[in-house]
Amino acid sequence: SQQGEEDPQALSIQEGENATMNCSYKTSINNLQWYRQNSGRGLVHLILIRSNEREKHSGRLRVTLDTSKKSSSLLITASRAADTASYFCATGASGGYNKLIFGAGTRLAVHP
Amino acid sequence: EAQVTQNPRYLITVTGKKLTVTCSQNMNHEYMSWYRQDPGLGLRQIYYSMNVEVTDKGDVPEGYKVSRKEKRNFPLILESPSPNQTSLYFCASSLSLGLAGSTDTQYFGPGTRLTVL
Repeated sequence: SQQGEEDPQALSIQEGENATMNCSYKTSINNLQWYRQNSGRGLVHLILIRSNEREKHSGRLRVTLDTSKKSSSLLITASRAADTASYFCATGASGGYNKLIFGAGTRLAVHP
Repeated sequence: EAQVTQNPRYLITVTGKKLTVTCSQNMNHEYMSWYRQDPGLGLRQIYYSMNVEVTDKGDVPEGYKVSRKEKRNFPLILESPSPNQTSLYFCASSLSLGLAGSTDTQYFGPGTRLTVL
């Protein structure tokens, strides 16, 4: 079963608006990672947040983690058309070295 | 440039014709992995390798084989491809093994789009 599940499945916004994507997971984690995928291309790592962290920033990205609710959110501020992509959260699975469990992703469309 | 490369990028083949998708990384990473991506299912791990000659099954290993004879290469082999293996395949690598439950950042190749007729 999927460990990370993103919400919403699809998001459409205008340039300059903020985009928020959520991720829920089921089991205890050591860290949670967000990846970005442009259409049909490889995934690119965006940010990693450890289980003892609550918030992390990287440029226009802000990630929060609530381990009590087993959830994370990714906020992209002042979005640009170039941010159009699919975004995946990934969590480590117990029993497998470096095994990441991915959700189905959120498809973000940013319109000029 | 640090990267993970895959070949071929696109492949159309027929049922039963053996094929190999190559994967190579130039970052001296210990850990390598293969995933397949299908619509609505996210990425699912096929096989992974913690080091040379050390490989293990992921979530969906049926119909696939791998080998790790050299640290940099991790080919994916489909001995007898079937239409349900039509998918987008990604190879990934990471620097460290990580402990169980601890995961390291993974670097992904550009993907191989496979169609089995």
